Amino acid sequence: GAGVSQSPRYKVAKRGQDVALRCDPISGHVSLFWYQQALGQGPEFLTYFQNEAQLDKSGLPSDRFFAERPEGSVSTLKIQRTQQEDSAVYLCASIIQGAGEQFFGPGTRLTVL
Amino acid sequence: GENVEQHPSTLSVQEGDSAVIKCTYSDSASNYFPWYKQELGKRPQLIIDIRSNVGEKKDQRIAVTLNKTAKHFSLHITETQPEDSAVYFCAASIYGGSQGNLIFGKGTKLSVKP
Repeated sequence: GAGVSQSPRYKVAKRGQDVALRCDPISGHVSLFWYQQALGQGPEFLTYFQNEAQLDKSGLPSDRFFAERPEGSVSTLKIQRTQQEDSAVYLCASIIQGAGEQFFGPGTRLTVL
Repeated sequence: GENVEQHPSTLSVQEGDSAVIKCTYSDSASNYFPWYKQELGKRPQLIIDIRSNVGEKKDQRIAVTLNKTAKHFSLHITETQPEDSAVYFCAASIYGGSQGNLIFGKGTKLSVKP
């Protein structure tokens, strides 16, 4: 079956614009994670969903970041009033449930000018 | 919270040599330690993982060792090949818990010279 997909793959935004990043997890995967990967760094946890419930958003860097997964499958990460420091690759990962091997999507590279 | 340290940040070896990457973690509750390989512009891909109930795991040319007492784990790649060149990340999490988000190290850029 298909793996985790993300769209768009690349996004260029002007400072102050709002952006929305989409993640399609593997079908049937209950758990979904968002990570932020700055250039030359390891991925950093942003938020976690179990089905439609956002159980942990402790990694979101500011209240400009918002994530949702209304039907327990597709998830959207929204960043309002983008800043240059938001430039990074945003990775989505899913697993069947709980913990274990996380399958990553290809990421969305966000560049804020 | 958990903190994962990884070293070296860069590693250059000759083809056929072995490569070793080391990580330490801080939270004794962590019990799942995966290693991911990430090629430039690509997604992280799991190459091997280990749980805390074993001390070593091997898969062909790749092995991982875990020392729970010292809170460190290592990746060993033998007979390296140019296609092993990539950035490698270690990570830690709590397997079987209610969540399982990964805490990553900063990565090791491995270059294998032909």
